[in-house]
Amino acid sequence: AQSVTQLDSQVPVFEEAPVELRCNYSSSVSVYLFWYVQYPNQGLQLLLKYLSGSTLVKGINGFEAEFNKSQTSFHLRKPSVHISDTAEYFCAVRNSGGSNYKLTFGKGTLLTVNP
Amino acid sequence: GAGVSQSPSNKVTEKGKDVELRCDPISGHTALYWYRQSLGQGLEFLIYFQGNSAPDKSGLPSDRFSAERTGGSVSTLTIQRTQQEDSAVYLCASSSYTGNEQYFGPGTRLTVT
Repeated sequence: AQSVTQLDSQVPVFEEAPVELRCNYSSSVSVYLFWYVQYPNQGLQLLLKYLSGSTLVKGINGFEAEFNKSQTSFHLRKPSVHISDTAEYFCAVRNSGGSNYKLTFGKGTLLTVNP
Repeated sequence: GAGVSQSPSNKVTEKGKDVELRCDPISGHTALYWYRQSLGQGLEFLIYFQGNSAPDKSGLPSDRFSAERTGGSVSTLTIQRTQQEDSAVYLCASSSYTGNEQYFGPGTRLTVT
């Protein structure tokens, strides 16, 4: 079984400030890791993913995340946020092996960027 | 190109009625997934189809829920005898065979009164 913990349910920040959204996971097997963003009344959009290789992954909209296997973490960062980054962010995990690709999601972090 | 589409976008139904939710995946995607998003439970996996293989139904919460995928493309999620706790946003996603990137539809918001 796998689980994902997003430590902060809400993160308020000011525009142009840096932000880090925390994600920890638990799994008995190797995993792939994902961050998705959900804007109000929309579906989920993939921000970035870690499959293998470099542990620092860059995604869309200036976001990046670092996979830390020893700490079982995959924190999302952005050096300078914009008002338009206001959304809910979900961390997700799935098995890296096998043929079942279902995702296990965290509860989400609501990022609110204030002017 | 066209993304994943879902219909209807909103559905209000009375308790005890049956509902059908439709998902049109991205053309050529062999894998299709249903998830449910609710305030109390977050995002939960419901069911997964991959090509002609038997679906993984391990996430379906009760036998009132069922899903089928016809011709390896369109999928329908059916909820029988709806209950108020079924109220949620039902999200469909599709991916290529490798499953490394799932593309989500806009969801169907189901309200059971």
